[in-house]
Amino acid sequence: AQKVTQAQTEISVVEKEDVTLDCVYETRDTTYYLFWYKQPPSGELVFLIRRNSFDEQNEISGRYSWNFQKSTSSFNFTITASQVVDSAVYFCALTQLITQGGSEKLVFGKGTKLTVNP
Amino acid sequence: GAVVSQHPSWVICKSGTSVKIECRSLDFQATTMFWYRQFPKQSLMLMATSNEGSKATYEQGVEKDKFLINHASLTLSTLTVTSAHPEDSSFYICSATPRAAEVGQYFGPGTRLTVT
Repeated sequence: AQKVTQAQTEISVVEKEDVTLDCVYETRDTTYYLFWYKQPPSGELVFLIRRNSFDEQNEISGRYSWNFQKSTSSFNFTITASQVVDSAVYFCALTQLITQGGSEKLVFGKGTKLTVNP
Repeated sequence: GAVVSQHPSWVICKSGTSVKIECRSLDFQATTMFWYRQFPKQSLMLMATSNEGSKATYEQGVEKDKFLINHASLTLSTLTVTSAHPEDSSFYICSATPRAAEVGQYFGPGTRLTVT
């Protein structure tokens, strides 16, 4: 069965520090997708990135970067020069295909609460 | 981008009453909608998957007679919490998958239910 492990429950950093959030996953599917979501105190999930299992290129978007390594089943997320507004809970998620045509369930990790202090 | 709305955003009800939460895809047709539940400081737990015009598929441990899901159209799914009790107080989040077989779910803003 699919499983996502976010071993870091809470992380606290000082503004401008770099921080990496770890995500390790388990799946038997050969095709799958990985996601990162941000959940600020308001509660609404904010989509950050989707990565398919065939694309191991690292991705950078502004201060955000993602490192996908199939060999270690990891999909880590790094925030460079963190800011107070980055404070939120971050969830890593993995798809589990349930129907032909693309419908899939998402299996979420337990989340990592990031606090960026001024 | 695809937008999913939920109504209400928060609701307080008395124990024993029922409450309905709506989830709408505003600018796309949703083949599948999902309902999640999130307790404070915990992760999202999938409750059920619903496809338009068919019965919802509930996850193990979720009482289908207590959490009634109706997916009446390609843009609307409802979750009714029947005979609510304080332990049902939670944050309920829906998501929708576009009809065009696109991978990914678009999430609604969530509904905070408090049962007194």
